[in-house]
Amino acid sequence: DTEVTQTPKHLVMGMTNKKSLKCEQHMGHRAMYWYKQKAKKPPELMFVYSYEKLSINESVPSRFSPECPNSSLLNLHLHALQPEDSALYLCASSQDVGTSDWTGELFFGEGSRLTVL
Amino acid sequence: GQNIDQPTEMTATEGAIVQINCTYQTSGFNGLFWYQQHAGEAPTFLSYNVLDGLEEKGRFSSFLSRSKGYSYLLLKELQMKDSASYLCAVRAGAGSYQLTFGKGTKLSVIP
Repeated sequence: DTEVTQTPKHLVMGMTNKKSLKCEQHMGHRAMYWYKQKAKKPPELMFVYSYEKLSINESVPSRFSPECPNSSLLNLHLHALQPEDSALYLCASSQDVGTSDWTGELFFGEGSRLTVL
Repeated sequence: GQNIDQPTEMTATEGAIVQINCTYQTSGFNGLFWYQQHAGEAPTFLSYNVLDGLEEKGRFSSFLSRSKGYSYLLLKELQMKDSASYLCAVRAGAGSYQLTFGKGTKLSVIP
């Protein structure tokens, strides 16, 4: 199984809503990532979890709250978002940096397309 | 800081060869990746270079020159399905989780 599964594929929410994006992988990867991608732009790193602990937070606003309940799951909780937060949110996983043959290759999910009204 | 440059768009003919260039200036270097991204889909891994030279994988090859801060992706025997964006990404530090992506090159393959 070399898949990263994200749900939902599409989400429309108002600025006062609370919603969550979910990501799951069963490749035994211990590093998981959230990226944000706007149209015609490259993916931008938001968060990295390593062994279920937050390793990197790229100065992301607190209205985005990540959670890693276990080694296979990664959530992104959304609250009080702005219209400019509308984007494709990509989850990815990789082997952890401590692995001897680590290259850092990322396995991406298909993304959750978020629209904030 | 990190700066990665690649052409915005390219057009090539089905069956031809195309070379997509990428130059980078980064604070440290520990590997360069090429990813393919079809419109509305997730990026998929194509190649990885950490040492100078050419890596070949079927119709795709990637080259790296660390001294020049330069890489290219070579696509041979182009097919219509190769129409996509090609993203160059650099990992700056050893053991770093952070990949910096270039803005991508949108390749259009025409009959």
